Amino acid sequence: DAGITQSPRHKVTETGTPVTLRCHQTENHRYMYWYRQDPGHGLRLIHYSYGVKDTDKGEVSDGYSVSRSKTEDFLLTLESATSSQTSVYFCAISGQGARTEAFFGQGTRLTVV
Amino acid sequence: KQEVTQIPAALSVPEGENLVLNCSFTDSAIYNLQWFRQDPGKGLTSLLLIQSSQREQTSGRLNASLDKSSGRSTLYIAASQPGDSATYLCAVRDISSGSARQLTFGSGTQLTVLP
Repeated sequence: DAGITQSPRHKVTETGTPVTLRCHQTENHRYMYWYRQDPGHGLRLIHYSYGVKDTDKGEVSDGYSVSRSKTEDFLLTLESATSSQTSVYFCAISGQGARTEAFFGQGTRLTVV
Repeated sequence: KQEVTQIPAALSVPEGENLVLNCSFTDSAIYNLQWFRQDPGKGLTSLLLIQSSQREQTSGRLNASLDKSSGRSTLYIAASQPGDSATYLCAVRDISSGSARQLTFGSGTQLTVLP
C-alpha cells in the first residue's frame, strides 16, 4: 500500500469552529488532492497541490483552504465549519506522469453538529 | 467539463459468474483511466490503471479495457466471489485539467456477489 496517512480518522465538531485535517505521504509524490465523498454526489475535488506552496481550487472549494509547506504534508482547513461540510474527506496522491496511479488515504469522517 | 457515467448503479450476481462493469466518459482527451474498489467505510483501493495509449490491462481475475475514441471502459471480473462485493469506481485523468492532473469519478457500481 502507498504510504499515505490521514488524521484524524473521525472527528465531531460544532458549527462555527475551525477544523484542520492532515494528509501525510511518504511516497514523495508531487500531486496531492483533497476530495469529499457524499451520497448522491460521489467524489468531488476540493483543492489540490502540484508542489510545495503550489495549490489551487477544485470544484467545491468554498469554505475550505489548504496549505502545503512540505512535500509530504497537505492540510485542509475548514475556517468555520458548517453542517453542509459533514462528509467523508479523502486525500489522494499521485506522481506526474501518465503512467502513475493515484492512491487514496483511508478517509476522515467529519461530523459538524 | 468531463463527465463520467457508470452503469449499472447496482448489480447482484451469484458466485462464480463472470461479469462486466461499464464506464463511459465524455471527453476522450485523457492521460489515463483508473479503476478503484471501495469497501463500506473504507478508502479507495486502486485495481487497474490504463494509460491512454493502451487497450487493456489485466490483474488476476480482473481485466480492464479502454476504447478512448468511443469514451468507454469496461471492467471484467472472472469467476466472481463473495469477497468481490464492493463498490467499483472508475476515474479518468483529464488532459484538459491542466496542472491539476485531477481525477474525475463516476458514481460507482455497487456489486453484490451472492454465495
